[in-house]
Amino acid sequence: EVQLVESGGGLVQPGGSLRLSCAASGFSFSNYLMGWVRQAPGKGLERVANIKQDGSESSYVDSVKGRFTLSRNNAKDSLYLQMDSLRPEDTAVYYCASLLRGSYPHWGQGTLVTVSS
Amino acid sequence: DVVMTQSPLSLPVTLGQPASISCRSSQSLVHSDGNTYLTWFQQRPGQSPRRLIYKVSDRDSGVPDRFSGSGSGTDFTLKISRVEAEDVGVYYCLQGTHWPWTFGQGTKVEIK
Repeated sequence: EVQLVESGGGLVQPGGSLRLSCAASGFSFSNYLMGWVRQAPGKGLERVANIKQDGSESSYVDSVKGRFTLSRNNAKDSLYLQMDSLRPEDTAVYYCASLLRGSYPHWGQGTLVTVSS
Repeated sequence: DVVMTQSPLSLPVTLGQPASISCRSSQSLVHSDGNTYLTWFQQRPGQSPRRLIYKVSDRDSGVPDRFSGSGSGTDFTLKISRVEAEDVGVYYCLQGTHWPWTFGQGTKVEIK
């Protein structure tokens, strides 16, 4: 059974940092592009970032470029999102997801990030 | 970026009756490899999104056959043949043909 388990969310002040983690199991993690999708309270889904299978290349939505850094450790079947200079508008549930052939087949349960003073 | 427009945004339905959600893209979703990467997700209240349909009409394992997807080019539809109580939630379309991938705004399905 495929599982993606996120952790690391919480309450942080504006300008602060958080590091999200995603532990994968039940599929061949190193063969998949991986990414994060977020959902602000009461809003829709927004792609945040994704990373190639070998970690050589990543892409980000414009609103987080220069502030968020995506990385992965294929030996540990894990994905990480380092979030710096957080803003109130970054408040959302962050979902870890796999990417395959133009779609997101697998999703985690999400971790809530709240940016507030 | 490709804009995905869903309609309606709210869909009250009667149990046992059919329901239909439209998703239109601002440009054709036919990829250079010949595939059309249009996905439908269901998000039940308090849950993470679940993929129902990919490549326009391929149903995921375990998805009831009352869910079907159709369409081509820029015009796509998700149909529920007979709505059940467990179908309540928000449905999103996603285009995965053009980078960056983009989601529709979501359609909230509720029981009348």
